[in-house]
Amino acid sequence: DSGVTQTPKHLITATGQRVTLRCSPRSGDLSVYWYQQSLDQGLQFLIQYYNGEERAKGNILERFSAQQFPDLHSELNLSSLELGDSALYFCASSVDQGRRDTQYFGPGTRLTVL
Amino acid sequence: GDSVTQMEGPVTLSEEAFLTINCTYTATGYPSLFWYVQYPGEGLQLLLKATKADDKGSNKGFEATYRKETTSFHLEKGSVQVSDSAVYFCALRNAGGTSYGKLTFGQGTILTVHP
Repeated sequence: DSGVTQTPKHLITATGQRVTLRCSPRSGDLSVYWYQQSLDQGLQFLIQYYNGEERAKGNILERFSAQQFPDLHSELNLSSLELGDSALYFCASSVDQGRRDTQYFGPGTRLTVL
Repeated sequence: GDSVTQMEGPVTLSEEAFLTINCTYTATGYPSLFWYVQYPGEGLQLLLKATKADDKGSNKGFEATYRKETTSFHLEKGSVQVSDSAVYFCALRNAGGTSYGKLTFGQGTILTVHP
């Protein structure tokens, strides 16, 4: 158990819908990262927050957004869903954001868009 | 930009065989290097890491050495077990600029170990 929790574990929805994925980082970790894992794209970095502020963006679509709240939990919002958004979404956390810092991953949310 | 290339899989071995999974990288500066493992239906777990050239990371019998001259971080284990069957990801983490701590992953290598 990494100490990072994600809910829900599974999510099935229809095209055009909007969903929210939730992540609680390890106690004491200030940095939260979101990654998408799909068969064709592999593991791709989406976005990073540090202590409530957005710090880096990767291959995140404009239909996707995220935020980190004062209690440091984070939510990833996916809207106008398409079939291609079906994937495993991971949240990771770390104490800081330096290159030596280890990121600990949650169990993931499997999103299926029908 | 930064990139990581892993050997093509899947890799199938018999129990107690020697394992090597090749990983090479392209990056500016001095990245840290990681191996993560993903067991079926689970998230990624850190297996080992190295933060500077010539560092050797090790854990659970797995080892990898950070070779800056060959830009490599190959994963090895002397004697694999059935329980090592999983997907292995090589990753790097740079700092500064727009990278700001994100992990860049290789495509993953599926390892299956038979009794």
